[in-house]
Amino acid sequence: NAGVMQNPRHLVRRRGQEARLRCSPMKGHSHVYWYRQLPEEGLKFMVYLQKENIIDESGMPKERFSAEFPKEGPSILRIQQVVRGDSAAYFCASSESRGLNTEAFFGQGTRLTVV
Amino acid sequence: GNSVTQMEGPVTLSEEAFLTINCTYTATGYPSLFWYVQYPGEGLQLLLKATKADDKGSNKGFEATYRKETTSFHLEKGSVQVSDSAVYFCALSDLSGATNKLIFGTGTLLAVQP
Repeated sequence: NAGVMQNPRHLVRRRGQEARLRCSPMKGHSHVYWYRQLPEEGLKFMVYLQKENIIDESGMPKERFSAEFPKEGPSILRIQQVVRGDSAAYFCASSESRGLNTEAFFGQGTRLTVV
Repeated sequence: GNSVTQMEGPVTLSEEAFLTINCTYTATGYPSLFWYVQYPGEGLQLLLKATKADDKGSNKGFEATYRKETTSFHLEKGSVQVSDSAVYFCALSDLSGATNKLIFGTGTLLAVQP
């Protein structure tokens, strides 16, 4: 059973370009979380999705960031018109349910560098 | 709001030394508490967890006890190895709202020297 798969592992974008980060949850998992890790900081929650629904986007910046989790295919975190401050590691986690003690499994992350 | 505070690193130890990484939390209700480990260039792996007061989580020689009276969840290991070198994150499950999201501390880098 493959774990949470994120790609690409490393992404370099010039300022003003778009970044698309993909996350395939573990088999059987329909709950996906995105977190951002800025340099020398802990992970910060961004958004929580279930299939075709955004449940909680309270951690998402109001502009330029969007996320989706379609019925088929991976979850996508999209950052439009990237700026240097978007450089960070973006981690996806998936879980089987929303239960309080349900373990979330993390992917290896996508390291975005904006030049 | 909910938050996690953990000791700043880096923590540098010699092999076989005793390890303590302090973690305290602020939360409403009774969150679950976690320690995650991040090896260089990798994602986070769950190391151990505790779901209620006085529970002790343990794994790979690491352990932490959920202390409600001191709102702490300190990570300990009796004898560290070079392979334990990594960043350790303390986290709690945020019970506010409908999302089972995690609130993380800033991480503590552990470097174990041979």
